Amino acid sequence: SQTIHQWPATLVQPVGSPLSLECTVEGTSNPNLYWYRQAAGRGLQLLFYSVGIGQISSEVPQNLSASRPQDRQFILSSKKLLLSDSGFYLCAWSSIGASGGWNEQFFGPGTRLTVL
Amino acid sequence: GDSVTQMEGPVTLSEEAFLTINCTYTATGYPSLFWYVQYPGEGLQLLLKATKADDKGSNKGFEATYRKETTSFHLEKGSVQVSDSAVYFCALRYYGQNFVFGPGTRLSVLP
Repeated sequence: SQTIHQWPATLVQPVGSPLSLECTVEGTSNPNLYWYRQAAGRGLQLLFYSVGIGQISSEVPQNLSASRPQDRQFILSSKKLLLSDSGFYLCAWSSIGASGGWNEQFFGPGTRLTVL
Repeated sequence: GDSVTQMEGPVTLSEEAFLTINCTYTATGYPSLFWYVQYPGEGLQLLLKATKADDKGSNKGFEATYRKETTSFHLEKGSVQVSDSAVYFCALRYYGQNFVFGPGTRLSVLP
């Protein structure tokens, strides 16, 4: 069965410090991968998605970046965190369906980031 | 553009009450529709889905029917439990496209 991991689970960082969040998927190959942010009490904001190694699409211009160095690894980074970067970061994956469309997304447990 | 609208929360119910969370969407075609649930401090879990008009998705006592004529996908459960307290997200997805999520509806069930 497929499993998605995220770490760390929680993180407290000062403003201006760098960030690296990691997401890995097990039990599937060539997944589509996604990073979302959820502000406190709010909905989901899609940040990045990737359909393959080295292929990253950005949905929202900001001081975050994403990379996909391996098929089942997705990393979210920042060189200098802002207060507004605080939130709950969710990684998700989906597979290609038999008809070529994308199946439903499966989410990881999330990373709660607090920037002070 | 495509969008999903959900009833504003929080919704507070007593245990064993009937639940309805309204969801309507705006789309130019016929997307697949989904309900996800998020328990406190966790990621989202797929609750149910429907891929075409008149399909009914169901899981764990929850149901939702894809209504093309009213562009709706309301979530229902006949008897809620305290353990159903969570945030519920309605979402749509077109073939080969990314998901569009609603803002979420927080449900609190009191014993």
